[in-house]
Amino acid sequence: EIVMTQSPATLSVSPGESATLSCRASQSVSNNLAWYQQKPGQAPRLLIYGASTRATGIPARFSGSGSGTEFTLIISSLQSEDFAVYYCQQYNNWPLTFGGGTKVEIK
Amino acid sequence: EVHLVESGGGLVQPGRSLRLSCTTSGFTFGDYAMSWVRQAPGKGLEWVGLFRSKTYGSTSEYAASVKGRFTVSRDDSTATAYLQMHSLETEDTAVYYCTRALTFYGTLYFFDYWGPGTLVTVSS
Repeated sequence: EIVMTQSPATLSVSPGESATLSCRASQSVSNNLAWYQQKPGQAPRLLIYGASTRATGIPARFSGSGSGTEFTLIISSLQSEDFAVYYCQQYNNWPLTFGGGTKVEIK
Repeated sequence: EVHLVESGGGLVQPGRSLRLSCTTSGFTFGDYAMSWVRQAPGKGLEWVGLFRSKTYGSTSEYAASVKGRFTVSRDDSTATAYLQMHSLETEDTAVYYCTRALTFYGTLYFFDYWGPGTLVTVSS
């Protein structure tokens, strides 16, 4: 099983600043990596797939990069609605696995 | 607009069974794989199982933690996905999300639409 490790667990950021979230895979997943956003009491929402392709309707301030084992999600100029938990997911191998999440909170 | 809605959750005793349903609309159900993801209270996301579309063989995949106890299925005529759960354990307590699974090659899947989830509580 591929283990996905996200860091940091919590990120404190002021509105208007940028946030950089990391996701590391225990073995290469090529670019088969997705990012999701989850707000309290809501289902997750797909943000990014293919490591860097934004899903439909996702603002340009969300950008993903990386390949192999190291991936990054950057949220530029954080808006109030961006404070949430973010998960990465690899879909290169079975079983499909998620990272433990990064909570982006207001500083 | 794509909609997925889960139903069938509730309180169940350890060792018993429960079936979740996922009613969908807004897309051609038969063209997509359907999957289930769960989230224990206060915890992260855990993929549970997936059922491929007819195009890709109508086959299924499972997480090791549920293999042999859970079964995913689908009824393309009613655009409904199911998760049958047997021999439930307290560790199965979670919100269960139904998801539409997107693939470009028929082998690699991520989740582009999610239902609101249904809570399953396994307790005596």
